[in-house]
Amino acid sequence: AQKVTQAQTEISVVEKEDVTLDCVYETRDTTYYLFWYKQPPSGELVFLIRRNSFDEQNEISGRYSWNFQKSTSSFNFTITASQVVDSAVYFCARGGGSNYKLTFGKGTLLTVNP
Amino acid sequence: EADIYQTPRYLVIGTGKKITLECSQTMGHDKMYWYQQDPGMELHLIHYSYGVNSTEKGDLSSESTVSRIRTEHFPLTLESARPSHTSQYLCASSDLGSNYRFTQYFGPGTRLTVL
Repeated sequence: AQKVTQAQTEISVVEKEDVTLDCVYETRDTTYYLFWYKQPPSGELVFLIRRNSFDEQNEISGRYSWNFQKSTSSFNFTITASQVVDSAVYFCARGGGSNYKLTFGKGTLLTVNP
Repeated sequence: EADIYQTPRYLVIGTGKKITLECSQTMGHDKMYWYQQDPGMELHLIHYSYGVNSTEKGDLSSESTVSRIRTEHFPLTLESARPSHTSQYLCASSDLGSNYRFTQYFGPGTRLTVL
């Protein structure tokens, strides 16, 4: 199986700190897709970003930024100036090949303390 | 972005009851999925469908069954609920779209408790 590894099970920071969530993936596909989802305590899974394997350009959206590096098979997610509302479980996922299924990492629980 | 609806949001039921969890999407997506997730834990794909009359079992074995008679509707049924079925069930849908913009969008989930 082509795994997605989120080595950080839990991270705790104080508000306004920057925090980076790590994601390392395995793939045998030439074309693949990487995702980040946020799951707040209410339980729904909120789509944050999708990145194609052929587009290594990093992206910034407000306080969120993503660093995609094919050379290290990593797709890390940074929150700048964290806020209490950022507290959630964050999942990294990978899709690709001839099927349309996603492989999820086990998630990282981020707690932002006031 | 997809509009996906799940009902009920919360369900507490006794052992042995038959239950159906509803999932509908309004975007005409061909592909739909069911995941099972214990609180704060990883997601497990239990069923998926790539179109009407097409259903497949996912990576995690489940006693539930699904059907896909209409594109927009993908219900999940448990014939006889047991406490081991207590979990959150998340429905998702996706469409390949243009330029391979494949993305799965999720519904709000159903939290099932079997007593």
